[in-house]
Amino acid sequence: ETGVTQTPRHLVMGMTNKKSLKCEQHLGHNAMYWYKQSAKKPLELMFVYSLEERVENNSVPSRFSPECPNSSHLFLHLHTLQPEDSALYLCASSQVVGGFANYGYTFGSGTRLTVV
Amino acid sequence: AQSVTQLGSHVSVSEGALVLLRCNYSSSVPPYLFWYVQYPNQGLQLLLKYTSAATLVKGINGFEAEFKKSETSFHLTKPSAHMSDAAEYFCAVSDLKGMRFGAGTRLTVKP
Repeated sequence: ETGVTQTPRHLVMGMTNKKSLKCEQHLGHNAMYWYKQSAKKPLELMFVYSLEERVENNSVPSRFSPECPNSSHLFLHLHTLQPEDSALYLCASSQVVGGFANYGYTFGSGTRLTVV
Repeated sequence: AQSVTQLGSHVSVSEGALVLLRCNYSSSVPPYLFWYVQYPNQGLQLLLKYTSAATLVKGINGFEAEFKKSETSFHLTKPSAHMSDAAEYFCAVSDLKGMRFGAGTRLTVKP
């Protein structure tokens, strides 16, 4: 398998549920990202991991908890979400050289999350 | 901080017509600029990138973009639109904090 794979593709969860989104990259990249994409809003960067260490957390609510156990895997743990958290969650990876992702990001297909 | 502005949230063209999607950037250093395309319920796919090697950059699906430093622009063009080009297009700039995306431009192609 190549590229960035996200599972599941679709997820419906209640506000009291706990679920996790998974992302896996097979590109040998050294950085991974979670983005949130809501209707009629710009892409929101949620978390950045570089060399498995979190380097950016854009004031994301604590009901979202990321985990990066190794350079190929990234998780987003979800608990007690709100309906406004319904969105497309995108994972991406990149090769960062000198602090820049000069070659761009490779995105997964996303997980469409609906909170009911 | 670097940023990009995409002019026009919606662009509609007829099949076979020129496609022009506008992007302006602000950057204090030579930027790395990108265009991505997103089809419904998919992730973003890299169309092309500018990394200072050449000002005219050719990408996939017949798209190209020209870096104009004097205008701080990186507009995306395609000579002849195809129905399959209908999608959302994002301009982006890379800095030390990651990739910053524009708000996106939705391209509609009319038969």
